[in-house]
Amino acid sequence: QSVLTQPPSMSAAAGQKVTISCSGSRSNIENNHVSWYQQFPGTAPKLLIYETSKRPSGIPDRFSGSKSGSSATLAITGLQTGDEADYYCATWDRSLSGTVFGAGTKVTVL
Amino acid sequence: DVQLLESGGGLIPPGESLRLSCEAFKFSFGSYGMNWVRQAPGKGLEWVSGISSGANNAYYANFAKGRFIISRDNSKNTLYLQMNSLRPEDTALYYCAKDEDYGGLRGEAFDIWGQGTMVTVSS
Repeated sequence: QSVLTQPPSMSAAAGQKVTISCSGSRSNIENNHVSWYQQFPGTAPKLLIYETSKRPSGIPDRFSGSKSGSSATLAITGLQTGDEADYYCATWDRSLSGTVFGAGTKVTVL
Repeated sequence: DVQLLESGGGLIPPGESLRLSCEAFKFSFGSYGMNWVRQAPGKGLEWVSGISSGANNAYYANFAKGRFIISRDNSKNTLYLQMNSLRPEDTALYYCAKDEDYGGLRGEAFDIWGQGTMVTVSS
């Protein structure tokens, strides 16, 4: 059971928007920055968002991150078939003194 | 290119030990915290351990405490994970990952990942 809670799956039509939630607590999301990762089958995870809302070089602005209280959100706009992947949130947990990941959300493009 | 290359995985009987290595290329390895993250077959990502840039601080997931030891040799640009008393539930692909934050181990974001090394614990 993950410390961070994500929906197991989400789907939307191509061109539409999907928002993935990541729910935590005061010991993690509320007091630390959140990161998001994209992972395709058989490949290593890729950093999409860091410091809650910043994008690394090369990540399109269709991907955006935000946070409110102890919950974070990844939004993907203009959904493309190439966005079909697993998405994970992560942050530092002060109580555990370690990094925690969500269980992942599988995004399907209809 | 900036790269992390893991090695040392394999098939190992329960109760035995294994040491994983992760060599870093094309970045200032000694300036960043480093981590190990694992992924069991068909499962999600699970953080294992992290170590600060100067090896002054090390952190472990509860399942790793007392069994795993993280270390680094900045002169060799290499990160290690010594895994003892291995269990079948430790079977996973083990990734090393670079902390995004310069100068320490913030543990909030990992910007460079290796391709992983597979550890299978089975008799």
